Amino acid sequence: EVQLVESGGGLVKPGGSLRLSCAASGFTFSDYSMNWVRQAPGKGLEWVSSISSSSDYIYYADSVKGRVIISRDNAKNSVSLQMNSLRADDTAVYFCARKVAKLCVAGSCDAFDIWGQGTMVTVSS
Amino acid sequence: DIQLTQSPSFLSASVGDRVSFTCRASQGISSYLAWYQQKPGKAPKLLIYGASTLQSGVPSRFSGSGSGTQFTLTISSLQPEDFATYYCQQLNFYPYTFGQGTKLDIK
Repeated sequence: EVQLVESGGGLVKPGGSLRLSCAASGFTFSDYSMNWVRQAPGKGLEWVSSISSSSDYIYYADSVKGRVIISRDNAKNSVSLQMNSLRADDTAVYFCARKVAKLCVAGSCDAFDIWGQGTMVTVSS
Repeated sequence: DIQLTQSPSFLSASVGDRVSFTCRASQGISSYLAWYQQKPGKAPKLLIYGASTLQSGVPSRFSGSGSGTQFTLTISSLQPEDFATYYCQQLNFYPYTFGQGTKLDIK
């Protein structure tokens, strides 16, 4: 079964750090770009970060740039998000998601086709 | 950054109704748009990619159209399991962005 399972969430004080992990199974992990998406309580989805299959290309949302680091270990089929200098507005469910390239009218179209169940991060004193 | 504006934000409808949601991009994104369905407490589920291609396993009552800056998701005949929140996402340029969502509930 194709699956992503996040872990590492929890309660942290403002200014603190947390490392989220996402374990992949059921597919060739090293073939895919991976992403983190978050959702604050009662709010919409916000893309956070992307890492290419071989870690050559890394992107961050402006809201987290300079405070988070995405990384992956293809040997262990996992992707991580190191979060530093956490703020109250980082409170959210964090999802990892697989990006796939599919044939479409435009040629090749990307989409996030597999998602984990999410892990909750709460930043509060 | 590309902004995506979804309308309406809320929609009430009945089982069997035909409904459409709109997603407007602040600049052209060709057909690099996906639609997701999310139910409370669950992860989003991919419905449509490339603006109009149905993801495998998604019922054919869902369809997508549009290109450039204007996109539409249509559900031809609402089923009870379709009441959820729907998000569009552009994957043409980083940073990838999502619309704010359309919540579909039962009238």
